[in-house]
Amino acid sequence: DAKTTQPPSMDCAEGRAANLPCNHSTISGNEYVYWYRQIHSQGPQYIIHGLKNNETNEMASLIITEDRKSSTLILPHATLRDTAVYYCIAIMTTDSWGKLQFGAGTQVVVTP
Amino acid sequence: NAGVMQNPRHLVRRRGQEARLRCSPMKGHSHVYWYRQLPEEGLKFMVYLQKENIIDESGMPKERFSAEFPKEGPSILRIQQVVRGDSAAYFCASSPMWTDYGYTFGSGTRLTVV
Repeated sequence: DAKTTQPPSMDCAEGRAANLPCNHSTISGNEYVYWYRQIHSQGPQYIIHGLKNNETNEMASLIITEDRKSSTLILPHATLRDTAVYYCIAIMTTDSWGKLQFGAGTQVVVTP
Repeated sequence: NAGVMQNPRHLVRRRGQEARLRCSPMKGHSHVYWYRQLPEEGLKFMVYLQKENIIDESGMPKERFSAEFPKEGPSILRIQQVVRGDSAAYFCASSPMWTDYGYTFGSGTRLTVV
């Protein structure tokens, strides 16, 4: 699975959009980009995933560049409850199913 | 629809004792995964099981650790003769055979070895 690179931390004002970048320059054509988050002391929570197209659900939007070397997770209106560590993971679901490689992630702090 | 249930939430064991961590997957989920998070470290994959089968245990320490997912009942992660370095949060996740929505994680078991 491709290695991903994320900034270690970022702050965001409550009510504003949070844009979380992720680089995955070695991603292969059949690797998906998954995003999870871990709120302090809780289990990780699935947010969204995508392959090529941009995706949106009730939690977030995922923008994947055309060359797929990077992506951005967008939390449209950050709340204090969005404070968490966010993980970007590239995974080939057919082979590595279940073996998520969590990196250090990005610590997002949403401030009032 | 209950989520992934892990128990106990907190477990304290003395060095040398055995620790048993239980994970009941979501209804309809036949795949279970165990992860460990050491203090101030990231989540690390340990083992992937289907009913009665270990599919991938490449992340499991070679000694003292074992996992099972019997035909009936929860998945069990067993740690024999615990040492202080086993103190960590242990998370279980489950999924159906095929899913487009990632895994569902439980709230974890915090193991403290004293």
